[in-house]
Amino acid sequence: DIQMTQSPSSLSASVGDRVTIACRASQTINNYLNWYQQKPGKAPNLVIYAASSLQTGVPSRFSGSGSGTDFTLTISSLQPEDFATYYCQQSFSTPYSFGQGTKLEI
Amino acid sequence: QVQLQESGPGLVKPSETLSLTCTVSGDSMHGYYWSWIRQPPGKGLEWVGYIFYNGRTNYNPSLKSRATITLDTSKNQFSLRLSSVSAADTAVYFCAREENLISEVYFDPWGPGTLVSVSS
Repeated sequence: DIQMTQSPSSLSASVGDRVTIACRASQTINNYLNWYQQKPGKAPNLVIYAASSLQTGVPSRFSGSGSGTDFTLTISSLQPEDFATYYCQQSFSTPYSFGQGTKLEI
Repeated sequence: QVQLQESGPGLVKPSETLSLTCTVSGDSMHGYYWSWIRQPPGKGLEWVGYIFYNGRTNYNPSLKSRATITLDTSKNQFSLRLSSVSAADTAVYFCAREENLISEVYFDPWGPGTLVSVSS
């Protein structure tokens, strides 16, 4: 099974900051890497798919990069609505797996 | 616009079977994979398994063959049964559509989720 490890587990930031969240896979997953945003009491919402493709309707301040085993999610200028928990997920092979999450806090 | 909605009992006794249904509206189920994903309170996400529109299934081995996913395309629904539950199965259960294209495989959209507690 493929293990996904995110860092950091939590991150304190301010509105307007540029933040980066890292995700590492235990083996190569090419670009089969997705990022989800989850707010308390809600379902996860797709932000980035295939490592770097922006989901329709997601603001362009979100971007993703990486391939192989190392990936990053970057938010260029934090807005109040971006404070949430972010999960990476590999879709290279089943069982699909998620990172443990990164909680982005003010 | 496709929407998903989970339904089922919110409380299940230990050793019994958890049963949930996901109703899909706004689109056909044809051509897609349909997944269940769960999240214990305060914890991360775990993929439970999927069913393809032709009935083919795939499960997370961590569930030790306790999970069964079925499909009823006439009702635009798919269901999860999880047998021999314990407190460790207490979680919010989400259903989701899996978009599965060449080099692009992701979950979107998701249902809002339903909390299932296992307790006597």
